[in-house]
Amino acid sequence: GDSVTQMEGPVTLSEEAFLTINCTYTATGYPSLFWYVQYPGEGLQLLLKATKADDKGSNKGFEATYRKETTSFHLEKGSVQVSDSAVYFCALTGSGGSEKLVFGKGTKLTVNP
Amino acid sequence: GAGVSQTPSNKVTEKGKYVELRCDPISGHTALYWYRQSLGQGPEFLIYFQGTGAADDSGLPNDRFFAVRPEGSVSTLKIQRTERGDSAVYLCASSLTSRNLELFFGEGSRLTVL
Repeated sequence: GDSVTQMEGPVTLSEEAFLTINCTYTATGYPSLFWYVQYPGEGLQLLLKATKADDKGSNKGFEATYRKETTSFHLEKGSVQVSDSAVYFCALTGSGGSEKLVFGKGTKLTVNP
Repeated sequence: GAGVSQTPSNKVTEKGKYVELRCDPISGHTALYWYRQSLGQGPEFLIYFQGTGAADDSGLPNDRFFAVRPEGSVSTLKIQRTERGDSAVYLCASSLTSRNLELFFGEGSRLTVL
């Protein structure tokens, strides 16, 4: 079945460091891909998305490119801030046009000043 | 409020008891989703509604779990004969339509079964 594999955390960085969180997927068909973020004490919220191959999603300085050839959707940010500390989830739409999202296990990021 | 509201935020119950968890979605959102999140895991799909009907309930783990959305707005997730393995955070999300996959999540209901 459809699945998402994220790099294991936790990830700890210093402020202004470069961030990469790897995400690869297995799916039949052509899923849409998402990154959701959960800040401490808050619900999950959409960070960015890409709906077809080679699309780049971006928001708040974060970027991810839909790579069909490597089945990847890695999240990157050039300079992280303390306020980026959160848990990040990679997700995809289920196969066959399903409207449900399949999530990875999440990667906890801590950014120190 | 403007967001997805879930009650209770915390529920502790004993094994074998019945539990109801409530979700109040964003006004005007026709799609509503229930997910379950265990410690250290990502959200796991349970069921979603388009309007009043359950469009996909393939994630419900067994017949002890049931959800309703009688008027196409508020939804209730019902768990009968709770087991310790049901302990998790139950997340509700809504979206404008089922094809608009920007889900807006509530903060969840943490269920602990003793």
